[in-house]
Amino acid sequence: RKEVEQDPGPFNVPEGATVAFNCTYSNSASQSFFWYRQDCRKEPKLLMSVYSSGNEDGRFTAQLNRASQYISLLIRDSKLSDSATYLCVVNMLGVPSGSARQLTFGSGTQLTVLP
Amino acid sequence: DAGITQSPRYKITETGRQVTLMCHQTWSHSYMFWYRQDLGHGLRLIYYSAAADITDKGEVPDGYVVSRSKTENFPLTLESATRSQTSVYFCASSYDRVRSPLHFGNGTRLTVT
Repeated sequence: RKEVEQDPGPFNVPEGATVAFNCTYSNSASQSFFWYRQDCRKEPKLLMSVYSSGNEDGRFTAQLNRASQYISLLIRDSKLSDSATYLCVVNMLGVPSGSARQLTFGSGTQLTVLP
Repeated sequence: DAGITQSPRYKITETGRQVTLMCHQTWSHSYMFWYRQDLGHGLRLIYYSAAADITDKGEVPDGYVVSRSKTENFPLTLESATRSQTSVYFCASSYDRVRSPLHFGNGTRLTVT
């Protein structure tokens, strides 16, 4: 089982739709979580951190479910400009400090918002 | 502008040549990372550094060398480039290893012919 798993998609949704992505992680000691977006092999850009109580930034809502070990990203009122690949990142503090596995990227979920 | 910058943006080199990719950050972040990204693969960690003069291997270190004599710079050297090292290379930095997100440079697209 991969340590961080995402549905690769693609998700094709019409403009204005609500879309949600999940990301599951295997290490229960994971402590910090992030969502990034990446456009067409440009650099990943931080979209938002994910806090235990859930957090919202405009049309974007991130949630953490520790019991089921997943994080989610909800995008409301999708815009054409939201088309991108969304990466979840999990910081697994349970692994040995300094291990390359400590910060693990999901493989990304591709979103295309259609006019 | 403050931030993290990579150079060159594009590089074409021949098999067997040595090539160095540069990374510079102005935030004084302790941690710096080198990733490669290939079609069909996610981001794979090559090397990382916790501080000046402290570096360690990531997932795919073979064929690469790094150094970090100054906090702000973290160059990546391909000692003898191979075609399999054709990739997009991203440098990243973070304030710490626990809570802080990574901030990425805009990448170097390397082609080895």
